[in-house]
Amino acid sequence: SQQGEEDPQALSIQEGENATMNCSYKTSINNLQWYRQNSGRGLVHLILIRSNEREKHSGRLRVTLDTSKKSSSLLITASRAADTASYFCATELLGGGADGLTFGKGTHLIIQP
Amino acid sequence: NAGVTQTPKFQVLKTGQSMTLQCAQDMNHEYMSWYRQDPGMGLRLIHYSVGAGITDQGEVPNGYNVSRSTTEDFPLRLLSAAPSQTSVYFCATTAVSTYEQYFGPGTRLTVT
Repeated sequence: SQQGEEDPQALSIQEGENATMNCSYKTSINNLQWYRQNSGRGLVHLILIRSNEREKHSGRLRVTLDTSKKSSSLLITASRAADTASYFCATELLGGGADGLTFGKGTHLIIQP
Repeated sequence: NAGVTQTPKFQVLKTGQSMTLQCAQDMNHEYMSWYRQDPGMGLRLIHYSVGAGITDQGEVPNGYNVSRSTTEDFPLRLLSAAPSQTSVYFCATTAVSTYEQYFGPGTRLTVT
């Protein structure tokens, strides 16, 4: 069964605003990853946060992790039309981390110009 | 470098037919995986491989076979296609040092 669940399922904001999406998971993890999927394309890795990290930044992305609440958030600042995509959180499915991930259903983000 | 390539991009099968989805990578990654993505869903792991000659089942392996004779190639075989296998299939490799996965562009399969 899927480990992660993103919230909200869909989000529509104006260009320039910040977008926040959340992920909750069920079992303890070693790390959590966020991926982006543009319509009709494969997934692209955005950022990985380890279980001993609380916050991580990459460009306009900020990811937080709260292992006590089993939740993570992805913040995209100063959104652009090109950020329109689906965003998925993923955790290791089989414990090893490298041999397969389990994904949530994703948050579909629409940036209105 | 091409990264992860998948062929074909689109395929239509009739129920009961068999076919092989091809996946190749030039990243020299030992770990490779196959996922399926159904509408409005995340990806679900079908099979994975931790190196040539080694494969194992993921979440939804029924109806699919895999083999891994080389590091570069990881084909997925549908033995007897069913409408429930209509989906988009993604192949991925994993960089073991970072756990980052690299995805192919996908194969959109329709079974009628």
